[in-house]
Amino acid sequence: GQSLEQPSEVTAVEGAIVQINCTYQTSGFYGLSWYQQHDGGAPTFLSYNGLDGLEETGRFSSFLSRSDSYGYLLLQELQMKDSASYFCAVRLSGAGSYQLTFGKGTKLSVIP
Amino acid sequence: DAGVTQSPTHLIKTRGQQVTLRCSPKSGHDTVSWYQQALGQGPQFIFQYYEEEERQRGNFPDRFSGHQFPNYSSELNVNALLLGDSALYLCASSLARKANYGYTFGSGTRLTVV
Repeated sequence: GQSLEQPSEVTAVEGAIVQINCTYQTSGFYGLSWYQQHDGGAPTFLSYNGLDGLEETGRFSSFLSRSDSYGYLLLQELQMKDSASYFCAVRLSGAGSYQLTFGKGTKLSVIP
Repeated sequence: DAGVTQSPTHLIKTRGQQVTLRCSPKSGHDTVSWYQQALGQGPQFIFQYYEEEERQRGNFPDRFSGHQFPNYSSELNVNALLLGDSALYLCASSLARKANYGYTFGSGTRLTVV
């Protein structure tokens, strides 16, 4: 089977930087994705790491290390609107494998 | 450009009843996946449809069934509703040839079973 572990809650100050970690146990996967979900809203795709290393998209960066079974999402210059839940997700490799498996999510609270 | 559209947004059903949820994928997408999200949890995969066929199914009972139409829209049916089926049901669309990249999710249908 597969499992993804994330911290359940994180609190950070507006303007600061926060890192949300994701550790996983899978037999093989195509890459690590990150999604943002505001309360009552739809999950929104943020980033995808197919290869090891850092991907940067504006204020958001994501990192993957397959050898360490570890990834993280980095949010810079935090804004109040960044308060949301953040999910890491993987798609397992292999024939007939299409599902995206999500972690339980990290609730980020940005405080003034 | 319309994203993923789901209907209805909210629904209250009685235990034992049947329900049908609907999803229109993002324009240009050909694949539809359905997820169940309990409060405070991550989305759980129910199944995925491509070319009008169910091509993968998660760990959900046969009470959960679906369909994809030629225009790529999809329905999720749940029979013999249980209280535990109360959740947010999310539809996600994607392009099969870019399956490793972002899914586009709808805002979901909030199902309450009483």
